[in-house]
Amino acid sequence: DTAVSQTPKYLVTQMGNDKSIKCEQNLGHDTMYWYKQDSKKFLKIMFSYNNKELIINETVPNRFSPKSPDKAHLNLHINSLELGDSAVYFCASSHLQDRVDNYGYTFGSGTRLTVV
Amino acid sequence: DQQVKQNSPSLSVQEGRISILNCDYTNSMFDYFLWYKKYPAEGPTFLISISSIKDKNEDGRFTVFLNKSAKHLSLHIVPSQPGDSAVYFCAGRNYGGSQGNLIFGKGTKLSVKP
Repeated sequence: DTAVSQTPKYLVTQMGNDKSIKCEQNLGHDTMYWYKQDSKKFLKIMFSYNNKELIINETVPNRFSPKSPDKAHLNLHINSLELGDSAVYFCASSHLQDRVDNYGYTFGSGTRLTVV
Repeated sequence: DQQVKQNSPSLSVQEGRISILNCDYTNSMFDYFLWYKKYPAEGPTFLISISSIKDKNEDGRFTVFLNKSAKHLSLHIVPSQPGDSAVYFCAGRNYGGSQGNLIFGKGTKLSVKP
């Protein structure tokens, strides 16, 4: 069973389109995240939700809107896609109050978004 | 502003030898440091962590050393195995900041040659 699953794995779309990436975790974690890995290979936090509530919203264009229907799901919707949105998007989950010596996020396998 | 820096984009090591991956940071508020390992087409997986109040943590073949005064940490893999070939990300946790947000470096690609 996949702990954190993202769909789709690959997404090729035209500029200006609206698309969604879905994420689900079956670990019983209370916090979920979206990270973006751009062409420079940095993994940057975009959003974080704890118990369905937004707790981190880094400097991300408002074309990006996360939606958490329940604790096990955090979807990412992107409006009016631009070329610069091309990247790999990773979903992750954790227990916010996890034991720090066992602390770690569980990541999904990523969604490679290509905007043409 | 790169709070976590991994200045070596790649490292090549012979099987059986030691691999040393380095990481520097600027944020004094990090309370934990973590290493993640990433294979192609997969998400990063947690490898090992160290508290900012310790200087060493060991788990099997993996040891992380922290030099707080130098704001430097390193991951040692002994002995290196071909299966260790992957991208290794260093991350700092600023728990007092954005509630558990991990700040990642750019990663170092390790190649272990048989």
